[in-house]
Amino acid sequence: GQNIDQPTEMTATEGAIVQINCTYQTSGFNGLFWYQQHAGEAPTFLSYNVLDGLEEKGRFSSFLSRSKGYSYLLLKELQMKDSASYLCAVKDSNYQLIWGAGTKLIIKP
Amino acid sequence: DAMVIQNPRYQVTQFGKPVTLSCSQTLNHNVMYWYQQKSSQAPKLLFHYYDKDFNNEADTPDNFQSRRPNTSFCFLDIRSPGLGDAAMYLCATSRDREADEQFFGPGTRLTVL
Repeated sequence: GQNIDQPTEMTATEGAIVQINCTYQTSGFNGLFWYQQHAGEAPTFLSYNVLDGLEEKGRFSSFLSRSKGYSYLLLKELQMKDSASYLCAVKDSNYQLIWGAGTKLIIKP
Repeated sequence: DAMVIQNPRYQVTQFGKPVTLSCSQTLNHNVMYWYQQKSSQAPKLLFHYYDKDFNNEADTPDNFQSRRPNTSFCFLDIRSPGLGDAAMYLCATSRDREADEQFFGPGTRLTVL
């Protein structure tokens, strides 16, 4: 079967750095996505990786290793507004998005 | 601004009473998706349209139906809502199936009494 694993919940301090990991097993690979979802709201797109390596976008970076079936989302200079769930999703060989259950990130002052 | 719009944002219905959720988009995207998301769970794809081509997920209950009368609009019909259908319903679009990302509407929170 297809599977996306990410931690259920993480806690970090305002101003710090946090890394949210995602491992996946899918039938085929056509890209990995990270979405941010605030409570009661829709997911918003953060990043997309299809080749190995690091993609940097402001305070957020995303890394991919296809051989290891592994990605992480790195958030720097954490702000209180970063408190949200972060969902990892992989597009499989049929271009279907397989979603993880999300990591709830709690930021403390 | 180009966007995905969902109405209503909050919907309350009674057990067994049909309900329709609507989604519209100004992005002119070919693909529209309907997801169901329950608290602390991954979004679950119910079905998607590639243009007028309807694709139903194998485990989507028959209680859920969809219509896409034109490129801009898509509807989700729940024929006989049960208590287990209470969830957030998310509409999303993408330029095509191979496109980079999906754009989500704000969602409709469905409560079943």
